[in-house]
Amino acid sequence: AQKITQTQPGMFVQEKEAVTLDCTYDTSDQSYGLFWYKQPSSGEMIFLIYQGSYDEQNATEGRYSLNFQKARKSANLVISASQLGDSAMYFCAMREGRAAGNKLTFGGGTRVLVKP
Amino acid sequence: EAQVTQNPRYLITVTGKKLTVTCSQNMNHEYMSWYRQDPGLGLRQIYYSMNVEVTDKGDVPEGYKVSRKEKRNFPLILESPSPNQTSLYFCASRDSGRGTDTQYFGPGTRLTVL
Repeated sequence: AQKITQTQPGMFVQEKEAVTLDCTYDTSDQSYGLFWYKQPSSGEMIFLIYQGSYDEQNATEGRYSLNFQKARKSANLVISASQLGDSAMYFCAMREGRAAGNKLTFGGGTRVLVKP
Repeated sequence: EAQVTQNPRYLITVTGKKLTVTCSQNMNHEYMSWYRQDPGLGLRQIYYSMNVEVTDKGDVPEGYKVSRKEKRNFPLILESPSPNQTSLYFCASRDSGRGTDTQYFGPGTRLTVL
């Protein structure tokens, strides 16, 4: 079974609008962490936001917020007021508490294109 | 500046010619990992190291070797590269302390094996 599922392979968003990127996860661990990374066309992986499984409040970092619904096992990324520079691939990832080697398990990614 | 560096950034080689991709971090992190990225598959862990002289296999270790002789360096070795190892490779590091869950990624190495 897929541990991280991103169901949206690609999406368009109008500049200045908000966009939600879906991510569902599967784990039996009680302790885990959820991450979102951005990968622009230049290829580097840029850390955006982190949510711990015991964090009661949704994480926020500037224009990024993580809509964490633990019972549904979802960790959607919300980007507010989209900018042209937000065009990129976005990856959801999970680190399970029992994962050896601090492994991150990644989803397949969602490509976002911001239209002017 | 805290960073993870990789070299080379781009490499085209031929089947069977041994190569090494270097990775270095300046943050004194214990944990280091190698990932490969392939279209539609996200990133998959190849090998990881929890400290000097401590390494172990990740999800896709076949055809790769690593070493961790110093804390800052974690080279990835392809003894006999094959075309199915054509991929984008990332090195990552993380501190082992609590509350520091962020993994720092290097800029990536795009490898093509002909």
